[in-house]
Amino acid sequence: DSGVTQTPKHLITATGQRVTLRCSPRSGDLSVYWYQQSLDQGLQFLIQYYNGEERAKGNILERFSAQQFPDLHSELNLSSLELGDSALYFCASSELTGSYNEQFFGPGTRLTVL
Amino acid sequence: QQQVKQSPQSLIVQKGGISIINCAYENTAFDYFPWYQQFPGKGPALLIAIRPDVSEKKEGRFTISFNKSAKQFSLHIMDSQPGDSATYFCAARGTSYGKLTFGQGTILTVHP
Repeated sequence: DSGVTQTPKHLITATGQRVTLRCSPRSGDLSVYWYQQSLDQGLQFLIQYYNGEERAKGNILERFSAQQFPDLHSELNLSSLELGDSALYFCASSELTGSYNEQFFGPGTRLTVL
Repeated sequence: QQQVKQSPQSLIVQKGGISIINCAYENTAFDYFPWYQQFPGKGPALLIAIRPDVSEKKEGRFTISFNKSAKQFSLHIMDSQPGDSATYFCAARGTSYGKLTFGQGTILTVHP
C-alpha cells in the first residue's frame, strides 16, 4: 500500500458526460501528479500540482482540468467525454517537487466511456 | 514524441533465469532513471532507481546498468521467480518539476 488513495476505483459513464476523479496524497506529500495509462499511449503525464499551485503540464486535453485543494487532495475533472478517454488514471504524490523525490502511485481509477 | 524507448514488449523467462529489459533515452536533460513494477489492478511501484553519475546499482536480485554515453540503461533480474511476473516500466525524470516520462512497458512472465 503506497499510502495514496484514489476514488472511485471504477467509473462507467457515457460519451459527453463529465466526471471527477479524486486523489488523496500520502501524509506530508505536497506534490500531486496525474497520469493516464492506456493500451496505445502507455503511461502519460498529465499535470502536476505542488502545494495548491499548478507546476507542470503534459499531454492534457483542454477538456480536462485539475486542482489541488488546501488540504492537499486533488481532483481531476474530465468533461465532454469521448470513447478514447477510456483509460486508467493514476495519481502519484511526492514530498517535494524536483527531480529526486520518489513518486508513490495510487491504485488508479478505471474509467470506461460507453 | 516518445523520449524513452523500451524493449522488449514482452519477455518469457524460466524460473531461475535472468530477465533483461532495455531502455534508451534521447533527452540529455534527464538525470534520474527509475524502474517501476506494476501488477494487474495495481498502480506502478518503484523498484529501483539510478542517477547518471553511477554506472550500476544493485538491490537484491535487481540491478540497473547505466551507460551515459550511449544514453541507455537496463534492468537485470537475477534468479527470476514466478512472483516477478508483472509489467515493468523504465522512466526518466529531468529537472522539469519531477514529471516522469515512461517507456512503453515490458510484460514479464516467469514460468515455474
